[in-house]
Amino acid sequence: GDSVTQMEGPVTLSEEAFLTINCTYTATGYPSLFWYVQYPGEGLQLLLKATKADDKGSNKGFEATYRKETTSFHLEKGSVQVSDSAVYFCALRFPQGGSEKLVFGKGTKLTVNP
Amino acid sequence: ETGVTQTPRHLVMGMTNKKSLKCEQHLGHNAMYWYKQSAKKPLELMFVYSLEERVENNSVPSRFSPECPNSSHLFLHLHTLQPEDSALYLCASSQEVGSTGWDEQYFGPGTRLTVT
Repeated sequence: GDSVTQMEGPVTLSEEAFLTINCTYTATGYPSLFWYVQYPGEGLQLLLKATKADDKGSNKGFEATYRKETTSFHLEKGSVQVSDSAVYFCALRFPQGGSEKLVFGKGTKLTVNP
Repeated sequence: ETGVTQTPRHLVMGMTNKKSLKCEQHLGHNAMYWYKQSAKKPLELMFVYSLEERVENNSVPSRFSPECPNSSHLFLHLHTLQPEDSALYLCASSQEVGSTGWDEQYFGPGTRLTVT
């Protein structure tokens, strides 16, 4: 079935380090892809998205490129900050029978130390 | 209030209790959702409502009963729950649900439920 696989956490980095969180997906057809972020004590917030192959989503210094050939949507940031500490979720969305389905990965917890 | 709000933020209940979770969105959206977030598991979609009509029920046990009296409010009625139902329950809303015109979902902060 359709699924999203993210790298297992937790990930711990020092401030200003480079971040990569891997995400690959399995889906029939061509889904839209998303990264959501959940800060401590809060709900999920959309971080960035890409709706077709080779699209690059970006926001707050984070980037991810929709790679159809490798079915991947890896999240990157060149220099993380302590305030980036959160749980990051990769997700895909595709039409299904007149509705649409959103499928999430398990989440990757990021801790950034000063 | 702005965005999506959920009450209560924390709830502890016994297996024989009946309780309800409330969600309210102040965004003028037409679709609302309930999700279950358990530790080390992907976020699970439970129910989807569009214009107060349930359009999706992902094989959720009947001990969870949703109610959507209007497009701004969504409830999840709980009864005779099991300890494995302990989780963070997230509500979300979006402008539309359909094969076209899906917009991003806005999430509430969740209700942390513990079943003892």
